[in-house]
Amino acid sequence: ELKVEQNPLFLSMQEGKNYTIYCDYSTTSDRLYWYRQDPGKSLESLFVLLSNGAVKQEGRLMASLDTKARLSTLHITAAVHDLSATYFCAVALTGNQFYFGTGTSLTVIP
Amino acid sequence: DSGVTQTPKHLITATGQRVTLRCSPRSGDLSVYWYQQSLDQGLQFLIQYYNGEERAKGNILERFSAQQFPDLHSELNLSSLELGDSALYFCASSVFDRAPLLNTEAFFGQGTRLTVV
Repeated sequence: ELKVEQNPLFLSMQEGKNYTIYCDYSTTSDRLYWYRQDPGKSLESLFVLLSNGAVKQEGRLMASLDTKARLSTLHITAAVHDLSATYFCAVALTGNQFYFGTGTSLTVIP
Repeated sequence: DSGVTQTPKHLITATGQRVTLRCSPRSGDLSVYWYQQSLDQGLQFLIQYYNGEERAKGNILERFSAQQFPDLHSELNLSSLELGDSALYFCASSVFDRAPLLNTEAFFGQGTRLTVV
């Protein structure tokens, strides 16, 4: 059974600080996705990582993928309050079905 | 707006009842996926359809079923509802159904919040 684990589950950080969210998965896949979810809302696509060593950046967020280690990271640089949300990683299998991690609830404190 | 439309947005029903959730994918998308999000189970893949055919099943209960119609909209039918079925049900769509492809991004609808009382 495919397992996707994220840590930490909860993250409270001050504005201006840096932090990294980790996503480990248990089976071979070269496709990993990061989504953001605001409370009661839908999932917003942040990054699509399609190969080993892929790195993508958008604003204060940067995601990377290491398929050999089965690990992806989401790095937050100089956090701002607007980044407060729950972040999910998802591993895609051959049929494009997503298996989501547990989610990381991020709160950025002014 | 992702382009994926789900109706209704909210649904309250009693235990033992049956409900139907509807999803219209983005224009041009052939694949539809259903996901359930609950506090205890997290986000779980339920089932996938591609161009009218079932392609993959995840953790979908036997009381649940789905179909995709010729116009590509999909319905998720939930029957003999239990309190534990209360959750947010998401539909997602994408163009293709198999990797590896340049763009396999899936777009999610706003979800249907089901409350079973």
